[in-house]
Amino acid sequence: DSGVTQTPKHLITATGQRVTLRCSPRSGDLSVYWYQQSLDQGLQFLIQYYNGEERAKGNILERFSAQQFPDLHSELNLSSLELGDSALYFCASSVGGSERPGNTIYFGEGSWLTVV
Amino acid sequence: QQPVQSPQAVILREGEDAVINCSSSKALYSVHWYRQKHGEAPVFLMILLKGGEQKGHEKISASFNEKKQQSSLYLTASQLSYSGTYFCGTEIDYGGSQGNLIFGKGTKLSVKP
Repeated sequence: DSGVTQTPKHLITATGQRVTLRCSPRSGDLSVYWYQQSLDQGLQFLIQYYNGEERAKGNILERFSAQQFPDLHSELNLSSLELGDSALYFCASSVGGSERPGNTIYFGEGSWLTVV
Repeated sequence: QQPVQSPQAVILREGEDAVINCSSSKALYSVHWYRQKHGEAPVFLMILLKGGEQKGHEKISASFNEKKQQSSLYLTASQLSYSGTYFCGTEIDYGGSQGNLIFGKGTKLSVKP
């Protein structure tokens, strides 16, 4: 158990719908990262937040958005869902951001999203 | 920016050794290695920082060549439990770092009895 908690674990929804994935980082971690992993694909970096502020952006679609709240939990919002959005979405956390590079990043168990 | 991993896949017998390579075109601050079992979360193995030493624990070790921006993961006397997909995650050196990792496509390792 990495200490990173993600909900829901599984989600099935229809095309065009909107879903929200939730993440609670490890105690004491200020950085939260979101990654997407499609079937047999690698880990695609979506976005990073550090202490409530967006720190880095990767291959995140405009239909997707995220935020980190004052209590440091984060949510990833996926809207106008398409079949191709079906994937395993991981949240990860680490202690610091750019002022403390070289931090170990710990992954949650992921949220399986199936769009039908 | 995505690092290149090689080989894409490798099949071993128990007790055999393997090397997985990770190469980046960007200057790196650190390289992180993870192992992922199918459908599970990636599990952290080790981190190598620029200017740091070779790391290792038990029969898994790794090195980081800063000049070539390459890292290698060494698995010796492989066990069935080593099976999984290995990912290298690279932290790009922007004269500091943002902290996020860019992962390679992974190397699928299968260890047979």
